[in-house]
Amino acid sequence: GENVEQHPSTLSVQEGDSAVIKCTYSDSASNYFPWYKQELGKRPQLIIDIRSNVGEKKDQRIAVTLNKTAKHFSLHITETQPEDSAVYFCAASNSGGSNYKLTFGKGTLLTVNP
Amino acid sequence: GAVVSQHPSWVICKSGTSVKIECRSLDFQATTMFWYRQFPKQSLMLMATSNEGSKATYEQGVEKDKFLINHASLTLSTLTVTSAHPEDSSFYICSARDVRTGTGLGYTFGSGTRLTVV
Repeated sequence: GENVEQHPSTLSVQEGDSAVIKCTYSDSASNYFPWYKQELGKRPQLIIDIRSNVGEKKDQRIAVTLNKTAKHFSLHITETQPEDSAVYFCAASNSGGSNYKLTFGKGTLLTVNP
Repeated sequence: GAVVSQHPSWVICKSGTSVKIECRSLDFQATTMFWYRQFPKQSLMLMATSNEGSKATYEQGVEKDKFLINHASLTLSTLTVTSAHPEDSSFYICSARDVRTGTGLGYTFGSGTRLTVV
């Protein structure tokens, strides 16, 4: 099955700096890669996603890049703000496979210091 | 957008009792429902996948007789934790998709249920 590795497990940045979180996946059939932000005790919130036919996607301060050959994808947050502090999860899915299940990385605790 | 309502949001039960958690898709038909468990400071671990009208498919290591999943309609799926023990205390969260239309490609999550077994 799919295996998703996520690094770093914790990341602390100063407000205004950029933050980068990296993930690798093992199943070459995976073709959908969402990123979630989860605050303590809350549901994961989709913040951005990318499909395998695209190399990069951007939404305001958030961007995701995908390297299919190397099987890795990254989340980039620019001009970080204290409210960006949360746990971020990457995930991978084969949207054409049976049941379309998501495999999550272990998460990154991002702390943005004011 | 797609919304999934999950209840209860938290529950405390005695060891040995059973607890039922409900997830309802409010504005779309959930052909597929995923049930996750999340321990503190850990990732979401998929427990099982259910398709409407079919038996659930459980992940390796998840006891199907302990975690009963029912997905009898396109808008409702339930997870029953039977004979709960303290080690079952966790955050349980569902996620729904309509694989026919692609609704919920972002895997719409319920709000989660904090289960504490005492």
